[in-house]
Amino acid sequence: DAKTTQPTSMDCAEGRAANLPCNHSTISGNEYVYWYRQIHSQGPQYIIHGLKNNETNEMASLIITEDRKSSTLILPHATLRDTAVYYCIVKGAGSYQLTFGKGTKLSVIP
Amino acid sequence: DADVTQTPRNRITKTGKRIMLECSQTKGHDRMYWYRQDPGLGLQLIYYSFDVKDINKGEISDGYSVSRQAQAKFSLSLESAIPNQTALYFCATSDAGTTNTGELFFGEGSRLTVL
Repeated sequence: DAKTTQPTSMDCAEGRAANLPCNHSTISGNEYVYWYRQIHSQGPQYIIHGLKNNETNEMASLIITEDRKSSTLILPHATLRDTAVYYCIVKGAGSYQLTFGKGTKLSVIP
Repeated sequence: DADVTQTPRNRITKTGKRIMLECSQTKGHDRMYWYRQDPGLGLQLIYYSFDVKDINKGEISDGYSVSRQAQAKFSLSLESAIPNQTALYFCATSDAGTTNTGELFFGEGSRLTVL
């Protein structure tokens, strides 16, 4: 599975959109981009995933560039409860394994 | 009640002791996983099981063993605990019928300290 690169940390003002970038320049055609988050030391929580098209659900939006080498997770109106470590993961369609890197620590500031 | 339950939530033990961490799930999923997380790092896969008769090693299986007692139960054992196995351990499940979603459901974690 392709590796991902994320900033170590980011801040976002409460109520503003949080845009979390991820680079995955070696992604192959059948690999999906997944986002999870981990609040404090709780179990990670699935947020969203996509292959080529942009995706949106009740939690977030995922924007994938046309060349698929990078993506951005968007939390449209960040709240204090969104403070967490966000993991960007690339996984092949037939792969069982999710490889969690160090992620981005997002701090939402009042 | 949580869909994926881990016991114990916290455990302190001594070097050389045998420890078992248990995981049970009510989601009806076939696939279960054990992950380890060290402070400030991501999660590493220890073992995974796709059904009761299937057990597979992950990235860091040395020093660990597992047992899939039933579809809903997956336990992790440390036969002789050592201090560098001090970590936060997570159990997770996924539905084989939705392989491509990649969605794992995690328990709340078991914090193990080996003195």
